[in-house]
Amino acid sequence: DIVMTQSPLSLPVTPGQPASISCRSSQSLVNSDGNTFLNWFQQRPGQSPRRLIYKVSNRDSGVPDRFSGSGSGTDFTLKISRVEAEDVGVYYCMQGTHWPWTFGQGTKVEIK
Amino acid sequence: EVQLVESGGGLVQPGESLRLSCAASGFTFNTYWMSWVRQAPGKGLEWVANINQDGSKKYYVDSVTGRFTISRDNAKTSLYLQMNSLRADDTALYYCARAAWGSSDSWGQGTLVTVSS
Repeated sequence: DIVMTQSPLSLPVTPGQPASISCRSSQSLVNSDGNTFLNWFQQRPGQSPRRLIYKVSNRDSGVPDRFSGSGSGTDFTLKISRVEAEDVGVYYCMQGTHWPWTFGQGTKVEIK
Repeated sequence: EVQLVESGGGLVQPGESLRLSCAASGFTFNTYWMSWVRQAPGKGLEWVANINQDGSKKYYVDSVTGRFTISRDNAKTSLYLQMNSLRADDTALYYCARAAWGSSDSWGQGTLVTVSS
């Protein structure tokens, strides 16, 4: 199985400041058709997960543009340009290139 | 609006069975892959199973292979997960999710399965 490793696992942030989460996969996530199925999810306390980013850098509908995704191959990053209080929660990277689809351990974002 | 409503969770003893259901609405159900994803209490997310549009392709995580069966009824726009030989480590909140672009873009609220004697 593909292992997804996130860092840091805990991220205290100051509102208005940027934040960045790293995700590394144990194998390349480039599919045979050239797509890279690396996704980012946000899970706010007590809520279901919500997808923010798909295929590395594509924002889902309704996701604020302060969220951005980048990377290639095995190294990926989620950036929040200016953290807001509503961004508190756990963020997961997830690969959908190889079965079984696998998640990272999660990064808990909290306000300082 | 996409809606996914899970049901069927509950408390069962080890070795018993349970069938989860997910009622889907707000989209053309038979054009999407569908998934079950679970989350143990206080833990991270684990993909459990996927099924393609007509039910001819199914994928499972190793830990449930041979015990769980994913299925769907497109006429009823419903997704199912038959869980047999349940173990304590199957205790989790089980989410139904619509699959798109190598992940899931819509999730239900989940149904809780507790396996305990």
